[in-house]
Order: sequence, then C-alpha cells, then structure tokens
Amino acid sequence: NAGVTQTPKFQVLKTGQSMTLQCAQDMNHEYMSWYRQDPGMGLRLIHYSVGAGITDQGEVPNGYNVSRSTTEDFPLRLLSAAPSQTSVYFCASSVRVGYGYTFGSGTRLTVV
Amino acid sequence: AQTVTQSQPEMSVQEAETVTLSCTYDTSENNYYLFWYKQPPSRQMILVIRQEAYKQQNATENRFSVNFQKAAKSFSLKISDSQLGDTAMYFCAFMKPGDKIIFGKGTRLHILP
Repeated sequence: NAGVTQTPKFQVLKTGQSMTLQCAQDMNHEYMSWYRQDPGMGLRLIHYSVGAGITDQGEVPNGYNVSRSTTEDFPLRLLSAAPSQTSVYFCASSVRVGYGYTFGSGTRLTVV
Repeated sequence: AQTVTQSQPEMSVQEAETVTLSCTYDTSENNYYLFWYKQPPSRQMILVIRQEAYKQQNATENRFSVNFQKAAKSFSLKISDSQLGDTAMYFCAFMKPGDKIIFGKGTRLHILP
C-alpha cells in the first residue's frame, strides 16, 4: 500500500496564482483532512471530510477550497495565492474514529 | 471548543534518560481519543501512541507510555531510555468521535549524546 500520497512535495507560486495540492489514499479511509503547519503554530486544520461528498471547514479555511468526489482523493485548491499561505501542508486520513490519522509526507509551499 | 495545550515549547535531555512531555486539554465530552505524534526532521508525522478516554489503563508502546489523568484532563508522554532518534517535535492531539483531530502547538525535544 502507498498510504497517503501528496503531490507536489515542493512548490513556489507567485501571488495571485491558483493551484491544487493533490492528496490520495489507497486504504479506503473515510476520514480525510488538510492541515497547515507554521512555526510556533502547530498544525491547524483547514478543511476535513468524513466521507465522499461531505466536507466541512476547519480552523483556517479562508482562501482554500476542497471537494471529495471519491473516497480516495481529497484535493486542496488555493484560489488566489497570498504570501500568508506560505506553509507546509499535510494531508491525513483515518480508517475510522479513534484510530488516529495517517499523514502524507507534506508539501512545502512558498508564495512570493 | 476543545483546546490542547503543550506548556513546554522545547526540552533537552541526555541520551538514556527518561523524559516526560506534558499535555493538557479542555473538553466537556466524556468519550474521546488522545494521541501523541512524533515529527522528526524528515517532516513525516508518525503516530506514537493513542489512548481511549473510556479506558482507565494507560497506553504503552515499547519505550513510550502515557499518564492519562481524565479528571485533571492531562495526558503526558513518558519516553524511557531516550535515544538520539527520539529527537523530534512531539504533538499532543485530541479527537472526539466523528470529529476532526485538534493538535497542540508541539514540544521540540532534543536528545543529547
């Protein structure tokens, strides 16, 4: 099993550009989430999904969109990149409640 | 809303010593789950240990154990016989059933040779 796969691993964007961070898992997990990690801030939840077709906002959703058309994929879209979105982004999934998340290896995004 | 607090931003201990990382949380729920995650310099997030709130017995995974005090809302991680490979950022996390995981801000642990 590949686990949780995130692409790309690194990305540099110009202010105002849009892009999609990809996340895919092959473990048939229902729960998926996107977090951003900033120094001194820990991991903050952007959006999450409890199953295909169901998404909800987390702590810092502004400037990001998600969709969950399949169980496997949970892409994160940056609508108009801003320097404040420079961060490391993690996708994570869980088979069910209480089992903890399996994380992808992260995407380091820099917005200039 | 639930919150998770890690009061030690950074710690250093000598190799082979025992170290305890603190975590407190705030919730009105009775049933929930608690986790400790490790993030080494590779950036990968690794689940170290998990605890179910309805279980009184403290979870243990090899050299890692927790001290779960439900009434005090405390969930500390003890690392015994610490090794250089334990150097990492450690995150405490909380989750109530059917909901998302909430992380603390982390404790940076240095194991010194």
